[in-house]
Amino acid sequence: AQTVTQSQPEMSVQEAETVTLSCTYDTSENNYYLFWYKQPPSRQMILVIRQEAYKQQNATENRFSVNFQKAAKSFSLKISDSQLGDTAMYFCAFMKSSSGYSTLTFGKGTMLLVSP
Amino acid sequence: EAQVTQNPRYLITVTGKKLTVTCSQNMNHEYMSWYRQDPGLGLRQIYYSMNVEVTDKGDVPEGYKVSRKEKRNFPLILESPSPNQTSLYFCASSLKVGRVYNEQFFGPGTRLTVL
Repeated sequence: AQTVTQSQPEMSVQEAETVTLSCTYDTSENNYYLFWYKQPPSRQMILVIRQEAYKQQNATENRFSVNFQKAAKSFSLKISDSQLGDTAMYFCAFMKSSSGYSTLTFGKGTMLLVSP
Repeated sequence: EAQVTQNPRYLITVTGKKLTVTCSQNMNHEYMSWYRQDPGLGLRQIYYSMNVEVTDKGDVPEGYKVSRKEKRNFPLILESPSPNQTSLYFCASSLKVGRVYNEQFFGPGTRLTVL
């Protein structure tokens, strides 16, 4: 079974600064996907970024980027130029990419507070 | 607009009174799933469905039922709700591309309180 660990229950950052959220996972699979989801106060789950394990290049979406270290089973999220709207709970998630499998395994989340 | 919808968004009920939370997606996705979110536990999968008439248990299926009679709908049924089922529930769906499923899209959530 896969496990996902987010070791930082809460983090805070000031507007315009950079923050990194940590995520580690445990799996025996070689092919899989990793995701970061954002859950703002509205409680909507919003996909932030996605990484395929077979890709060595780290994924980037505007101000969001990841540091994917496959050997270390680490998948951290970096948010640059933090904005007040980035205040949210962030979940790291794992999914096997084998045929017919789509279950997401989530970490427990990191609450990020961006202050002015 | 491509979306996953859930109804109701908020529900307060009493122990033992059967209820159904509906989930519908308009993206022709094969895969649908139900999660519950509890403080400090993240999201845990209840049931999932690979396609019409194909369902299977997730990590926390006890006390829940599902059905998938149509591709677009995946209702969650609580036959006899109990207070420990008080939670935030999410429905999600994803598209199969080749043999692999893509990332999941989530509904807005249903806040259920069982007294």
